[in-house]
Amino acid sequence: AQSVTQLDSQVPVFEEAPVELRCNYSSSVSVYLFWYVQYPNQGLQLLLKYLSGSTLVKGINGFEAEFNKSQTSFHLRKPSVHISDTAEYFCAVSAGYSTLTFGKGTMLLVSP
Amino acid sequence: NAGVTQTPKFQVLKTGQSMTLQCAQDMNHEYMSWYRQDPGMGLRLIHYSVGAGITDQGEVPNGYNVSRSTTEDFPLRLLSAAPSQTSVYFCASSYGQSIGYTFGSGTRLTVV
Repeated sequence: AQSVTQLDSQVPVFEEAPVELRCNYSSSVSVYLFWYVQYPNQGLQLLLKYLSGSTLVKGINGFEAEFNKSQTSFHLRKPSVHISDTAEYFCAVSAGYSTLTFGKGTMLLVSP
Repeated sequence: NAGVTQTPKFQVLKTGQSMTLQCAQDMNHEYMSWYRQDPGMGLRLIHYSVGAGITDQGEVPNGYNVSRSTTEDFPLRLLSAAPSQTSVYFCASSYGQSIGYTFGSGTRLTVV
């Protein structure tokens, strides 16, 4: 079985500052990794995914994530956040199954 | 192209009532899943399907059942609603494990 740990439930940051949202996973097999974003009262939208190959993955809205197999991590980063990035972010893993296992989410709060 | 459509968007039930949450997708996706989202818990898998006629249980299946008679539709039935089933329910579909799921906009269910 696989599991996902998002280490921070909430991350406050000022506009134009960099941000990192942390995600660690556990699995006994090779994984696919995903980051989703959920804006208030909406469904989830795929930000980016890691399948194989380059460990640095670029996604939409200027986000990127780095896969680190030795540390079983897949941290999400953005060099300069905007007010509109305020949302909840979910890390998810798919490990040989047709479904996703999600972390509990990190609320990114961007203030002026 | 409507994507994943969930109905209704909001519902209030009395304890013991039954109802069906509808989910339809028009992308010819084989994989479909139902998740529930509760504060601080992330998304938890209720049931999933890898194709018409094939369903299986997820992490929290008790009190729910599903069927998949067509590729397009994947309804979720609450057999006898309980206050513990108050949640936001998301349906999602995918073409394949590595593609990432497309989510509906959710159904907010309150059981009183």
